[in-house]
Amino acid sequence: QQPVQSPQAVILREGEDAVINCSSSKALYSVHWYRQKHGEAPVFLMILLKGGEQKGHEKISASFNEKKQQSSLYLTASQLSYSGTYFCGTGGGADGLTFGKGTHLIIQP
Amino acid sequence: EAGVAQSPRYKIIEKRQSVAFWCNPISGHATLYWYQQILGQGPKLLIQFQNNGVVDDSQLPKDRFSAERLKGVDSTLKIQPAKLEDSAVYLCASSLDRTSNEQFFGPGTRLTVL
Repeated sequence: QQPVQSPQAVILREGEDAVINCSSSKALYSVHWYRQKHGEAPVFLMILLKGGEQKGHEKISASFNEKKQQSSLYLTASQLSYSGTYFCGTGGGADGLTFGKGTHLIIQP
Repeated sequence: EAGVAQSPRYKIIEKRQSVAFWCNPISGHATLYWYQQILGQGPKLLIQFQNNGVVDDSQLPKDRFSAERLKGVDSTLKIQPAKLEDSAVYLCASSLDRTSNEQFFGPGTRLTVL
């Protein structure tokens, strides 16, 4: 089952904050976040594990609500380099990842 | 450290033709994945290898797609015959093993089927 991401797109000015949400109809044991710039490969940002620690990346952090089967990615004081498409993925470990459709983030100077 | 290598980077073929993609994972990575990414969508897992064995190929259209990883290192993905809807970017990724959480993606092969 593909996770659902929202919003589909966000346009921000440099320095503003953004939140990207990822929800699943299935029980979540882990959520993976990747960023993909246009024409490039997805790059791993972080993983959130059920009952475990989260990893951060630059000024990007995330939360994981197991009960609501949701994860949110927080981008603080956004920089131009944060522009790209953000994907959440569920599964992982022994299974491959099932990615959402992505959230397009555009940072304007 | 060298990343995941893929070739070719671009391929244009006509429908019903055959095409093959090659992937060389990061050295020492036991797990290899092939994903299909259609424009505007997230990557979709096609097949997962652990060393030279298939772990999951449930989403691979086996009537036309095949993949192998004979010596547990390089992998090839083949489409025969191609359809218009196969136009996509084919991404190869690798991870240390099946329990590793981080997947490293290659640059992808952009396939256009005319």
